[in-house]
Amino acid sequence: GAGVSQSPSNKVTEKGKDVELRCDPISGHTALYWYRQSLGQGLEFLIYFQGNSAPDKSGLPSDRFSAERTGGSVSTLTIQRTQQEDSAVYLCASSVPYGVSYEQYFGPGTRLTVT
Amino acid sequence: QKEVEQDPGPLSVPEGAIVSLNCTYSNSAFQYFMWYRQYSRKGPELLMYTYSSGNKEDGRFTAQVDKSSKYISLFIRDSQPSDSATYLCAMSVPGNQFYFGTGTSLTVIP
Repeated sequence: GAGVSQSPSNKVTEKGKDVELRCDPISGHTALYWYRQSLGQGLEFLIYFQGNSAPDKSGLPSDRFSAERTGGSVSTLTIQRTQQEDSAVYLCASSVPYGVSYEQYFGPGTRLTVT
Repeated sequence: QKEVEQDPGPLSVPEGAIVSLNCTYSNSAFQYFMWYRQYSRKGPELLMYTYSSGNKEDGRFTAQVDKSSKYISLFIRDSQPSDSATYLCAMSVPGNQFYFGTGTSLTVIP
């Protein structure tokens, strides 16, 4: 079956512009995560959606970052007024709820470059 | 102090060697411990996960958790060139977010 998909796969933007990154989770997965992966920094947790519960936004680095999840499925991560330090690979993952499976399925990521 | 510490390597071994990858952590509340493998330009994929302490074996891979030492390991036996990837440890408190290590880059030389 289809895995987690992300678009675009690559995005080059100028400093100060806004960008939107999209994630399509696996059908039926109610949990969705966004991470940022920078060279030498590992995976940095950004935000977590679980069903209809309020999202855990504790990992968002600044108020320039926001995310939404419409209809419990597709999610969009928005970065406003991009800065060069925002350059990284943004990964999305989905999973069935805790207690059934603890495996996160990752998408291929969006490579963001801010010039 | 980071929640999870992992030696970034890089680690280079000859084909057939036994590889040992390790992580340490500080939060004694962690209950789930995972190892992910990430090939270049791909998303991570789950290799193994363990609940609480103990060992788990899957083919050439063995995961160990020592909660008393806050230390987890992944052993790869008879390493193959196809095992060349970055290996990330991850752990969590039940119902909470995952904390990942920075990853160890492994190259298996034919």
